[in-house]
Amino acid sequence: EAGVAQSPRYKIIEKRQSVAFWCNPISGHATLYWYQQILGQGPKLLIQFQNNGVVDDSQLPKDRFSAERLKGVDSTLKIQPAKLEDSAVYLCASSTNPLPTDTQYFGPGTRLTVL
Amino acid sequence: AQSVTQLDSHVSVSEGTPVLLRCNYSSSYSPSLFWYVQHPNKGLQLLLKYTSAATLVKGINGFEAEFKKSETSFHLTKPSAHMSDAAEYFCVVSDSNYQLIWGAGTKLIIKP
Repeated sequence: EAGVAQSPRYKIIEKRQSVAFWCNPISGHATLYWYQQILGQGPKLLIQFQNNGVVDDSQLPKDRFSAERLKGVDSTLKIQPAKLEDSAVYLCASSTNPLPTDTQYFGPGTRLTVL
Repeated sequence: AQSVTQLDSHVSVSEGTPVLLRCNYSSSYSPSLFWYVQHPNKGLQLLLKYTSAATLVKGINGFEAEFKKSETSFHLTKPSAHMSDAAEYFCVVSDSNYQLIWGAGTKLIIKP
């Protein structure tokens, strides 16, 4: 079974530029999560999707971050414009069930550096 | 409010010796507790999960954790460390809305 795929693996941009990350979850997984992991910290949930609907985006900085999962399969997370403090690893996870306490399967992450 | 504290940012042990990674939590009710592991350049992986059944939980790769309500602890142990155990370990607690609260992580270093 293929795991969660993310691309790109690394991205370096300058502040005020825009960037997009892509995630393809495990086939059949209806629930998809985006996390931000700043160096030295645990992951912080940004947004949770159930199929193509948003379940929780309470911690998503909506003035600059957006995410979509239009067909209920793969998803894109965008930052526009980027700030220095957005430097982090962005993790995508998927699950068969909608409760965050159910097992989540994580991708390798995208490491973003904002200069 | 729920919170989780991993007491050590780094733990260094010799190969073949026991591993102890410490985690304390704060919760106003009986939470679910998890340990996740993150190997370099790999995705986070669930090691084990406590959900109010047996207090001693066995996970993958020989790890286990014991839920101690009186001490509000959920320490992770392994009898004998292997070089492949070198990774970062995260203790996680769920809140009343099933949202996950992650600890800051403990980096486990294995000395040959």
